[in-house]
Amino acid sequence: TQLLEQSPQFLSIQEGENLTVYCNSSSVFSSLQWYRQEPGEGPVLLVTVVTGGEVKKLKRLTFQFGDARKDSSLHITAAQPGDTGLYLCAGLRGAAGNKLTFGGGTRVLVKP
Amino acid sequence: DADVTQTPRNRITKTGKRIMLECSQTKGHDRMYWYRQDPGLGLRLIYYSFDVKDINKGEISDGYSVSRQAQAKFSLSLESAIPNQTALYFCATSDPRAAGANVLTFGAGSRLTVL
Repeated sequence: TQLLEQSPQFLSIQEGENLTVYCNSSSVFSSLQWYRQEPGEGPVLLVTVVTGGEVKKLKRLTFQFGDARKDSSLHITAAQPGDTGLYLCAGLRGAAGNKLTFGGGTRVLVKP
Repeated sequence: DADVTQTPRNRITKTGKRIMLECSQTKGHDRMYWYRQDPGLGLRLIYYSFDVKDINKGEISDGYSVSRQAQAKFSLSLESAIPNQTALYFCATSDPRAAGANVLTFGAGSRLTVL
């Protein structure tokens, strides 16, 4: 069992539809990051959330950190083919010596 | 040029062979990491180094070793490769002094296949 569980593992939608990816844990994190990874490349940071209940928007992407800082979600509005990729959440726990723990990833495919 | 460069990008080898994956960075970051990526398992930490004289095991260090030759260089070795080490390997850096401390900058990855 992973410390951070992402769901769903795979999501295929049509262009223009909305989607939500979840990142859940039973542990508390001091902050949580979301990365997107495209084929042949390394993950690239999208956002960091640090405060319980925090909501951040990045164009059509909305990120939320749970009040208890144990979970997070990523919502994409009107998805486009360019949103296709692997989305990874990663949590930072102070007791872990400032190392990130990654979720298993959600692979998103947006069809034109 | 990329901020974090990994070589080789692809490597096919046989069981028992010694393999070295190299990583160099131009960001001037003190912290460097090696991760392994397997489908559905996300990224798992193999080793990390917070400065040239500091080497630490991650969650899956067995079968791997590392060398921090300079601030900019961090290599990962498989002394005797086995098939279950077939994976995509990523090097990453971070700057603890930055506002976004612990934000990782990744290389493009090294795909290793052990036959």
